[in-house]
Amino acid sequence: NAGVTQTPKFRVLKTGQSMTLLCAQDMNHEYMYWYRQDPGMGLRLIHYSVGEGTTAKGEVPDGYNVSRLKKQNFLLGLESAAPSQTSVYFCASSYRGQGAYEQYFGPGTRLTVT
Amino acid sequence: QQQVKQSPQSLIVQKGGISIINCAYENTAFDYFPWYQQFPGKGPALLIAIRPDVSEKKEGRFTISFNKSAKQFSLHIMDSQPGDSATYFCAASSKETSGSRLTFGEGTQLTVNP
Repeated sequence: NAGVTQTPKFRVLKTGQSMTLLCAQDMNHEYMYWYRQDPGMGLRLIHYSVGEGTTAKGEVPDGYNVSRLKKQNFLLGLESAAPSQTSVYFCASSYRGQGAYEQYFGPGTRLTVT
Repeated sequence: QQQVKQSPQSLIVQKGGISIINCAYENTAFDYFPWYQQFPGKGPALLIAIRPDVSEKKEGRFTISFNKSAKQFSLHIMDSQPGDSATYFCAASSKETSGSRLTFGEGTQLTVNP
């Protein structure tokens, strides 16, 4: 099993450009998440999904959109990139059930917006 | 609003010493408290977790101490090794939270000198 994979690993964008980050998991997890990691700020939740076809806003959703058309995939889109979106982006997935379960993280995508 | 506060931001320990990282939370509905470990260039991975029905959980050299009345929990790494050098995140969740979302602390960068 590959676990959680993310594409691409690195990307440089100019201000105003758009891009899509792809997350894929092969563990049949219901829940999927997108986080951004910035120095001194921990991991902040951007959007999450509790199942195929569903999405919901997290702590810092502005400037991002997501889609979950297939259970195994969770896409994060930046419609008009801004320098403030320079960050490392992590996707994660977990089982659905009573209470909380371990989240499995991908290797991350390092995005620089100039 | 940061609901989980983590300290210190960075920590340097000699090999064989004890590393201690502290977290405090505000939301009394939290009922799951994991610690994640992240090596450079990798995604975070679950290290150890505790639920509030116990005051301590130990797995090898890693121990979580939990103080429900003080709303605090801490990670102790005994006999710290250079291979423990990583960033550590505490987190918290509630079974009442949609999608089993985690709220992360700011992170602690641990360096263990040989």
